[in-house]
Amino acid sequence: SYVLTQPPSVSVAPGKTASIPCAGYNIGSKSVHWYQQKPGQAPVLVIFYDSDRPSGIPERFSGSNSANTATLTISRVEAGDEADYYCQAWDSSSDHYAAFGGGTQLTVL
Amino acid sequence: EVQLVQSGAEVKKPGESLKISCKGSGYSFTTYWIGWVRQMPGKGLEWMGIIYPGDSDTRYSPSFQGQVTISADKSINTAYLEWSSLTASDTAMYYCANTRGAARPFDNWGQGTLVTVSS
Repeated sequence: SYVLTQPPSVSVAPGKTASIPCAGYNIGSKSVHWYQQKPGQAPVLVIFYDSDRPSGIPERFSGSNSANTATLTISRVEAGDEADYYCQAWDSSSDHYAAFGGGTQLTVL
Repeated sequence: EVQLVQSGAEVKKPGESLKISCKGSGYSFTTYWIGWVRQMPGKGLEWMGIIYPGDSDTRYSPSFQGQVTISADKSINTAYLEWSSLTASDTAMYYCANTRGAARPFDNWGQGTLVTVSS
């Protein structure tokens, strides 16, 4: 199965930029999606196909993907961005097998 | 508006069976896959498996193969996740989510069903 690795936590001061990496073998050849999960809530899609934003997601959220690392970047971080973030991709060697990263807790200092 | 509405919280004893549901509305139920995701207390998201309600094509994560059964009834736009014999380690929040398929995102998520297994 395909393994995605994220740091358990990232901390950032308000107004600064947070970067959350997601490492996977040759992940740059896959489409990566990102989800935000706040306490007691279901996950919400914030980035899809590496760098596209669903309607309603602020432009402060962006993504990139290359080689063995995909990255979610949140600019001008706000207190309301504090949440767990998960990357997700599909295992192309096993059709229709999805994989999630372990999740990163974003703390706004 | 697309909605996935899941059945309510369950409290069960070890060894009991359980079937939870996920009802879709606001989209073509038979042309999206429905996936199930486990989240154990304080832990991350784990993909369990996926079903295409149009023809009931089902795939399981190796970690969950044989442990659960995923099914769907397209006549009532509902997908199911079922256990034949629960254990304490099945205690978790379970989410359903829809997707167009491989390489695509899980666009919409249900609100989650909390399953508690305790003697």
